[in-house]
Amino acid sequence: DVKVTQSSRYLVKRTGEKVFLECVQDMDHENMFWYRQDPGLGLRLIYFSYDVKMKEKGDIPEGYSVSREKKERFSLILESASTNQTSMYLCASSVGTGDTGELFFGEGSRLTVL
Amino acid sequence: GQNIDQPTEMTATEGAIVQINCTYQTSGFNGLFWYQQHAGEAPTFLSYNVLDGLEEKGRFSSFLSRSKGYSYLLLKELQMKDSASYLCAVLDSNYQLIWGAGTKLIIKP
Repeated sequence: DVKVTQSSRYLVKRTGEKVFLECVQDMDHENMFWYRQDPGLGLRLIYFSYDVKMKEKGDIPEGYSVSREKKERFSLILESASTNQTSMYLCASSVGTGDTGELFFGEGSRLTVL
Repeated sequence: GQNIDQPTEMTATEGAIVQINCTYQTSGFNGLFWYQQHAGEAPTFLSYNVLDGLEEKGRFSSFLSRSKGYSYLLLKELQMKDSASYLCAVLDSNYQLIWGAGTKLIIKP
């Protein structure tokens, strides 16, 4: 089975702190994604990557950056956390070119910014 | 703009049948997904429809009408473990996923 692992299930940070959210997948997937999930809204794409060292902005990239130095690892960085970034963050991966696009998700990182 | 609509919450009885609807307006269409998400857990894939018609997979079926911009997920013989949120998502012309807000399904004994 595909496993997508997110480093922290729950984090509490203060405004202005730098926050790292790590995601690792073990099935050699090409594509990796970071979403945030907020009540009453659909999943919103922050950043995605189709290859190592490659990144593309999603719908809401402001205030975030990403890093993909290795194929299996995709990190989300909040340079200076703000209260409006309090949310559930979901990492996902998919096979790659030619696939149906089925996503495999991690269990999420719930971030609270005080 | 692009839009996916699904009911916010539905309630059904154990053993019954429930239909969760999803309507969409997107720039292009390359398939529609349904995911299940239990509270506090990761979403998991249920179905993918790209052609019109009904796809059956055990107790779950998914229907698509591209001309109407409409899909539904049909759950039969409901079990308590089916209590979850059900997320509808459409792959648009740029192969980007557009997500609905999800339908929370509550199953009562």
